Amino acid sequence: AQKVTQAQTEISVVEKEDVTLDCVYETRDTTYYLFWYKQPPSGELVFLIRRNSFDEQNEISGRYSWNFQKSTSSFNFTITASQVVDSAVYFCALSGYSSASKIIFGSGTRLSIRP
Amino acid sequence: ETGVTQSPTHLIKTRGQQVTLRCSSQSGHNTVSWYQQALGQGPQFIFQYYREEENGRGNFPPRFSGLQFPNYSSELNVNALELDDSALYLCASSPDGASYEQYFGPGTRLTVT
Repeated sequence: AQKVTQAQTEISVVEKEDVTLDCVYETRDTTYYLFWYKQPPSGELVFLIRRNSFDEQNEISGRYSWNFQKSTSSFNFTITASQVVDSAVYFCALSGYSSASKIIFGSGTRLSIRP
Repeated sequence: ETGVTQSPTHLIKTRGQQVTLRCSSQSGHNTVSWYQQALGQGPQFIFQYYREEENGRGNFPPRFSGLQFPNYSSELNVNALELDDSALYLCASSPDGASYEQYFGPGTRLTVT
């Protein structure tokens, strides 16, 4: 069975602080994809990143960075120098590699950035 | 902008009624997936359609059904609505052979009273 756990339900930090959102996953598949999505108050899911299980290189995109560690089944997301516009619910997710894959989402972390 | 649209934006129905939600996929995307997102939770997979055939289903009862049409539009139908069906319903379209690559629409918020 596939499962994604986001243990942090809510996080609140002051603007310009760094913040890390944790994600732990379970899967029996040897090949899979991991994702992060952002959901602002408007409700639309905004795609942030997709990594496949073969690629454990960390990735940086501007103020965002992702740390994928297969040994601990974790895919953590760090926002550096947070801004108020980063306030949203963030979802970590997992998908199989087949052509008929569904995406399994975690329960989300609500991030609030205070001015 | 993902190129995926959904209608209506909001909907209020009464328990026991039936509802149809609509989704328009990106052109060329023959796979559409539907998700239910209850308040405070992550989206839950309902089912997936590929070229008008159901291609996978999550843990949802048969009163949740779907249709997909050749013009890249699709529908989610829910019969005998229950209060717990109140949620945001999201559709996502995918290119052939890459159902992990899902482009989400803005969702339809359904309230059942």
